[in-house]
Amino acid sequence: DQQVKQNSPSLSVQEGRISILNCDYTNSMFDYFLWYKKYPAEGPTFLISISSIKDKNEDGRFTVFLNKSAKHLSLHIVPSQPGDSAVYFCAANSGYALNFGKGTSLLVTP
Amino acid sequence: DTEVTQTPKHLVMGMTNKKSLKCEQHMGHRAMYWYKQKAKKPPELMFVYSYEKLSINESVPSRFSPECPNSSLLNLHLHALQPEDSALYLCASRVTTGDAYEQYFGPGTRLTVT
Repeated sequence: DQQVKQNSPSLSVQEGRISILNCDYTNSMFDYFLWYKKYPAEGPTFLISISSIKDKNEDGRFTVFLNKSAKHLSLHIVPSQPGDSAVYFCAANSGYALNFGKGTSLLVTP
Repeated sequence: DTEVTQTPKHLVMGMTNKKSLKCEQHMGHRAMYWYKQKAKKPPELMFVYSYEKLSINESVPSRFSPECPNSSLLNLHLHALQPEDSALYLCASRVTTGDAYEQYFGPGTRLTVT
């Protein structure tokens, strides 16, 4: 049963604009959420994380928002750059394990 | 330094071969992981080692045998694999103290079973 869901398989955004990637989860026991970026044939790269006691975390062009009541988080990338084109995975921590969403493929066009 | 290294980068093996994948990290992380990833899918957890002891085995077939010789190294021994085992095999590590749960992944080993 998929406990972390990324319902948009793909997203296309123009360079310079905002990219918003969404993620929903079902397990209210998740206490930590992470976003990873992945290029083909490479390992996922950690981007940004947020604890369940916060509602926002910012790191440069990347901001993650958490809405616990809606069990929803989002990753904002501003401004989007062509190098941001990759697959983005949302993950939720449970004990020692990460539960991953299926990923959203972001394409940033010039 | 958040580097996890994996060797080899690519591996082609027959169904009767025995091979090993290697992973190394020098971040002092005491939790290490093996994942399998198929194209266009999320990473799928295989094994978790905590303080050099196997703590999670996600019902992985015995043709995959993990080993943690010390706190920096993690191996995955492969024997009698099937073509459907072809995938990207990822190693990751994580701290086990405090409230940071970020796992850091290696670049992966692209395995092809012929």
